[in-house]
Amino acid sequence: NAGVMQNPRHLVRRRGQEARLRCSPMKGHSHVYWYRQLPEEGLKFMVYLQKENIIDESGMPKERFSAEFPKEGPSILRIQQVVRGDSAAYFCASSLNRDRGFYEQYFGPGTRLTVT
Amino acid sequence: AQSVAQPEDQVNVAEGNPLTVKCTYSVSGNPYLFWYVQYPNRGLQFLLKYITGDNLVKGSYGFEAEFNKSQTSFHLKKPSALVSDSALYFCAVRHNTNAGKSTFGDGTTLTVKP
Repeated sequence: NAGVMQNPRHLVRRRGQEARLRCSPMKGHSHVYWYRQLPEEGLKFMVYLQKENIIDESGMPKERFSAEFPKEGPSILRIQQVVRGDSAAYFCASSLNRDRGFYEQYFGPGTRLTVT
Repeated sequence: AQSVAQPEDQVNVAEGNPLTVKCTYSVSGNPYLFWYVQYPNRGLQFLLKYITGDNLVKGSYGFEAEFNKSQTSFHLKKPSALVSDSALYFCAVRHNTNAGKSTFGDGTTLTVKP
């Protein structure tokens, strides 16, 4: 059973370009979460999605950031017009499809975004 | 609002000695508490969780954690540390009615010296 897959593992973008980060949850998981980890900091919640629905986006910046989890295919975190401050590791996690909070989240290896 | 504090940025212990990594939390209602470990350039790996029941929770790799409701703490412990335990450890809390948002502490770097 493959774990959470993220690609690319490393992404370099120039200021102003778009970054698209992909996440495939574990088999059987339909809850996906995105977190951002800045250098020397902990993980900060960004968004929580179920298939075709955004459940909680309270951690998403108001502009330039968007996320989706379509019926088919991976979840996508999209950052438009990237700036240097967007440089971070972006982690995706998934959990079982139960509407309760006690299921642990399984994390992918992360995408390390560098904005030059 | 929910929050987590890991008061120590760094913990250093000698191999074979017991280790404790501290975590305190704040959440309204009953908390779900988790510990994760992160090795360099890797994602987080789940270690253990407290949902309900016994206050002492046993997890992977010989780790355990003690839930203390009166002190709102969930310290991670191991009786005998290994050099390979050296990593970054994160405590996380989730409200029992919020299936999504986990709040993580800032992490504690554990270094075990031979």
